[in-house]
Amino acid sequence: ETGVTQSPTHLIKTRGQQVTLRCSSQSGHNTVSWYQQALGQGPQFIFQYYREEENGRGNFPPRFSGLQFPNYSSELNVNALELDDSALYLCASSAFALSSYNEQFFGPGTRLTVL
Amino acid sequence: GNSVTQMEGPVTLSEEAFLTINCTYTATGYPSLFWYVQYPGEGLQLLLKATKADDKGSNKGFEATYRKETTSFHLEKGSVQVSDSAVYFCALNSKETSGSRLTFGEGTQLTVNP
Repeated sequence: ETGVTQSPTHLIKTRGQQVTLRCSSQSGHNTVSWYQQALGQGPQFIFQYYREEENGRGNFPPRFSGLQFPNYSSELNVNALELDDSALYLCASSAFALSSYNEQFFGPGTRLTVL
Repeated sequence: GNSVTQMEGPVTLSEEAFLTINCTYTATGYPSLFWYVQYPGEGLQLLLKATKADDKGSNKGFEATYRKETTSFHLEKGSVQVSDSAVYFCALNSKETSGSRLTFGEGTQLTVNP
């Protein structure tokens, strides 16, 4: 069984640029959630995708957007990068969006640095 | 809204010492509660979970009991090892009107010395 994978591992961008991060969900999972983890802090929920549609969003501006594909993989796009966007971006997959019991399985994350 | 508060860290212990990391929460309804662990340079791994009041989650010698009356989910281990050194996150998952999401605490850095 393949776990959650993310690419790239590390990324360096400059302020104002755009970035796309990718995530492949665990086999059998149809729901993907994205989290932002700033240095020394807990992860913050960005949004969740289920059946290729956004299914819940945290307190992040519209320049954070995403996609989910028919194979349940997902992308996180961030436009007009700001210095404060520097963080570890974590993707998590789960089996069913509407249950609070479901474990979310996390990928290793993408470390984004904005200069 | 939902929130999770963890005891401030970092925590430094000697091997075989007793560990407690406090966690309290605020949530509407009946959330599920989780402890995740993050080793250096890695993503989060689920350590244990409890889905209803008085449930005890346990794994690898770690335990936590869902206490609704005190809104707490404290993590304990009777005898820590050097390999337990990591950051520990308490989290809750509540079913919102559209999907479910994890709300995390700030994390507690644990260092275990030989």
